Amino acid sequence: QKQLQESGPGLVKPSETLSLTCTVSGGSISSSSYHWAWIRQPPGKGLEWIGNIYYSGYTYYDPSLKSRVTISLDTSKNQFSLNLSSVTAADTAMYYCARHSSGVGNAMDVWGQGTTVTVSS
Amino acid sequence: QSALTQPASVSGSPGQAITISCTGTSSDVGGYNYVSWYQQHPGKAPKLMIYNVSDRPSGVSNRFSGSKSGNTASLTISGLQAEDEADYYCISYASTTTPHYVFGTGTKVTVL
Repeated sequence: QKQLQESGPGLVKPSETLSLTCTVSGGSISSSSYHWAWIRQPPGKGLEWIGNIYYSGYTYYDPSLKSRVTISLDTSKNQFSLNLSSVTAADTAMYYCARHSSGVGNAMDVWGQGTTVTVSS
Repeated sequence: QSALTQPASVSGSPGQAITISCTGTSSDVGGYNYVSWYQQHPGKAPKLMIYNVSDRPSGVSNRFSGSKSGNTASLTISGLQAEDEADYYCISYASTTTPHYVFGTGTKVTVL
C-alpha cells in the first residue's frame, strides 16, 4: 500500500527558503500512472494547491506562487521535494504531499499526514 | 487564480440530504470534467470522495454523489450521518496562463 511521508524543518525564518521532502513507499515514484503534488493549509483556513511534478520532470505551479516555488524529483531515493523561497508569516501552514493518480482521473488519492511549518524569527 | 466559491456552512439532520455547491468559471469548473471533492475531519488529511465530477473511488459510500451544470459543480450527501460532519473542499483543473488546480473555499458540514 502506497504511503507518503513529509519531512523537513518545522521552523523557518522570514526571507529564507522553506524546504520539504516527501518520501514515497510502496511503489515507484517513476510510474507514468502518477504525478506528485504539494498542498498547504494555513491555520484555520482552506486548502491551497501549490504545484505538482510529473515522472518526466515537468512541473506546474499555482500562478500566485510560481515565482517562489520549485518542485523536484529524486528517483534514486523515491522522493520529491518542495522549495519555497522568500517566505513570510503568510507561508505558515500545514504542508501536505499527495499523489495524483490516472486511475481516479488525476485526482489526489493518497496523501501524507502533513507537516507543520511555522515562519518566524 | 481565485479560489472556487463554496458556501461557508451547510447543515442537516440525520437522514436528510444536503448539497454543497462549488462555483468557478469557464476556465476551470465549466471547462473541464476534472472536478473532485475531498472530506477533511479535524486534524486529518483530506480524503478523496468524488473524482471526474461524479465518479466515486472504491470504498466511498454511495451516499456521496457529484454533478455539474455550467460553471457550478455540486456534492450531494444523502442519508446524512453523524460521521459526515467535516469540512468539504472541491478542486478543479484549471488552465488560464498555465495548467494548474484550484481549490474551493471549503464548506463546514454540520449534522444537527
